[in-house]
Amino acid sequence: AQSVSQHNHHVILSEAASLELGCNYSYGGTVNLFWYVQYPGQHLQLLLKYFSGDPLVKGIKGFEAEFIKSKFSFNLRIPSVQCSDTAEYFCAVNPPYGNNRLAFGKGNQVVVIP
Amino acid sequence: KAGVTQTPRYLIKTRGQQVTLSCSPISGHRSVSWYQQTPGQGLQFLFEYFSETQRNKGNFPGRFSGRQFSNSRSEMNVSTLELGDSALYLCASSSDDRRTTDTQYFGPGTRLTVL
Repeated sequence: AQSVSQHNHHVILSEAASLELGCNYSYGGTVNLFWYVQYPGQHLQLLLKYFSGDPLVKGIKGFEAEFIKSKFSFNLRIPSVQCSDTAEYFCAVNPPYGNNRLAFGKGNQVVVIP
Repeated sequence: KAGVTQTPRYLIKTRGQQVTLSCSPISGHRSVSWYQQTPGQGLQFLFEYFSETQRNKGNFPGRFSGRQFSNSRSEMNVSTLELGDSALYLCASSSDDRRTTDTQYFGPGTRLTVL
């Protein structure tokens, strides 16, 4: 079955460490890719998205995600985590059907300790 | 612009009852999608509405239904509730008007507990 995979569902790390969260998908064709974040007690928020163009997308606080078509991946990188980055991170794929039907990975629960 | 709003935020129902959840999209957004979030299954797509028409449907039983009104507000209904329907129900809206992908913005969700 077509799916979105995220590994290392629970990650605990210290402030200032770097973090890379993997996301792999199994859909063929052109896809649109997203990272969403859910901070404790808050709703799901868009972090980064890739539709086309430069495969390296950058966001706030140095967050970036790289689309590698040959690897069917869209990994998220955080160069230096802060306690405020404690959250659950979801990778999502909009398959090549031309509609708003997101397929989500299971999420990465990230806890940053001082 | 105001974000996506969902009402109610919390609901407690008993098995066999039915429930209606409401979603108001971001102003100007015409597509509304619904998702179910559970600890075991994660986030799963329920259905999507655009211009009052269901455009896409996920793999959920017919007990789950929805509709969209002319002002783009949407409701979803779950009939004959089961314990397994306990979940966070999320609504997302996007401005999509060309049947192409677009960014979805999520509401805070409705937490449904079935006893």
